[in-house]
Amino acid sequence: AQKVTQAQTEISVVEKEDVTLDCVYETRDTTYYLFWYKQPPSGELVFLIRRNSFDEQNEISGRYSWNFQKSTSSFNFTITASQVVDSAVYFCALSEDETSGTYKYIFGTGTRLKVLA
Amino acid sequence: DTGVSQDPRHKITKRGQNVTFRCDPISEHNRLYWYRQTLGQGPEFLTYFQNEAQLEKSRLLSNRFSAERPKGSFSTLEIQRTEQGDSAMYLCASSFSGSPYEQYFGPGTRLTVT
Repeated sequence: AQKVTQAQTEISVVEKEDVTLDCVYETRDTTYYLFWYKQPPSGELVFLIRRNSFDEQNEISGRYSWNFQKSTSSFNFTITASQVVDSAVYFCALSEDETSGTYKYIFGTGTRLKVLA
Repeated sequence: DTGVSQDPRHKITKRGQNVTFRCDPISEHNRLYWYRQTLGQGPEFLTYFQNEAQLEKSRLLSNRFSAERPKGSFSTLEIQRTEQGDSAMYLCASSFSGSPYEQYFGPGTRLTVT
């Protein structure tokens, strides 16, 4: 069965600190996609990254970086030199190549990040 | 391309009333999804349409919930006899069959049942 676990419920850091948000997933499929979304207090989901199961190359985008390791079924997200504007809830999600063809997203429970000035 | 839109953005209703939400997907997207997000949780899948056909429904979608996509364009989600437990953010997403993994989310409708 598909499952996404974000064990960190809430993290608080001081501005300019680096922070890593953990994501562990479960799937029986070999073809799947992983995602990270940011949800500010307004409630909208802001897309951050999509990664397919065949591409384990780590990615960096500005202060954001992602570490995908199939061996440990993890897709961790690091924010370097955090800023107050990074404060939000962050969700990891999984979508499988289902026989049903639905491709629904399975979300974790989210990690609330608080960056203190 | 104006993105996925949802209406209303906020709805406050009394327990027992019926409510209806609307989702307008990106115009060329034939796949449409509804998700529900309760406080402190991630979004959970409710139902999926391909064109006008409703192809999958979650067990979360009780018989008080009904969704339609009559012409394969916009979709509505109706909740009958609302309960306080229905208070949540209802999110709509759309995608194109050529890129089924690439869902675009709307801003959501926040429902409060008093």
